[in-house]
Amino acid sequence: AQSVAQPEDQVNVAEGNPLTVKCTYSVSGNPYLFWYVQYPNRGLQFLLKYITGDNLVKGSYGFEAEFNKSQTSFHLKKPSALVSDSALYFCAVRDKLTGGGNKLTFGTGTQLKVEL
Amino acid sequence: NAGVTQTPKFRVLKTGQSMTLLCAQDMNHEYMYWYRQDPGMGLRLIHYSVGEGTTAKGEVPDGYNVSRLKKQNFLLGLESAAPSQTSVYFCASSHTPGTSGRHYNEQFFGPGTRLTVL
Repeated sequence: AQSVAQPEDQVNVAEGNPLTVKCTYSVSGNPYLFWYVQYPNRGLQFLLKYITGDNLVKGSYGFEAEFNKSQTSFHLKKPSALVSDSALYFCAVRDKLTGGGNKLTFGTGTQLKVEL
Repeated sequence: NAGVTQTPKFRVLKTGQSMTLLCAQDMNHEYMYWYRQDPGMGLRLIHYSVGEGTTAKGEVPDGYNVSRLKKQNFLLGLESAAPSQTSVYFCASSHTPGTSGRHYNEQFFGPGTRLTVL
């Protein structure tokens, strides 16, 4: 089964500093990887995905993620953090369902806190 | 477009009561999913549907039933609620895998239903 791990429950960063939220994956075959963000009392919002191609994927709100096959990682990054980036971030990997469709297997989430 | 909507937003049940959560999407997606979110566990798939009239079990289906009578709606039912079903429930939908387009692998989520079972 495909899986992802987010080793940090919380990441704290000062506004204006670069941020990294870590994710590692374990898959058989080629990975389809995603990052979602969840603001308080809201549903998950798609940030970006890696399917194939360039290892650096650009997404919404200035976020990007670096796919590293040798380290089986897909870390989320942003050059300059904003207080409004404070939220819960989920890494996910796509797994195919027997009956068709996709299943997203999620990590446990990383709470990002950006402080002034 | 409203995207994916869920009703109700909040609900408190007593053990043994039943209820139905409604999910609706206006994106003409074939695939729909129900997840539950619990602290420290990410999201887990309860049931899913690959089209109108079809449903299938996910990772944690016990205690839940679903129906997809219309393409745009996906209902999640709890026949006899238990405290272990206290959770936040999310519905999601997606295009058919393999459909061309930049979003074809992406799932769109509703705002969630917070359910407490006493």
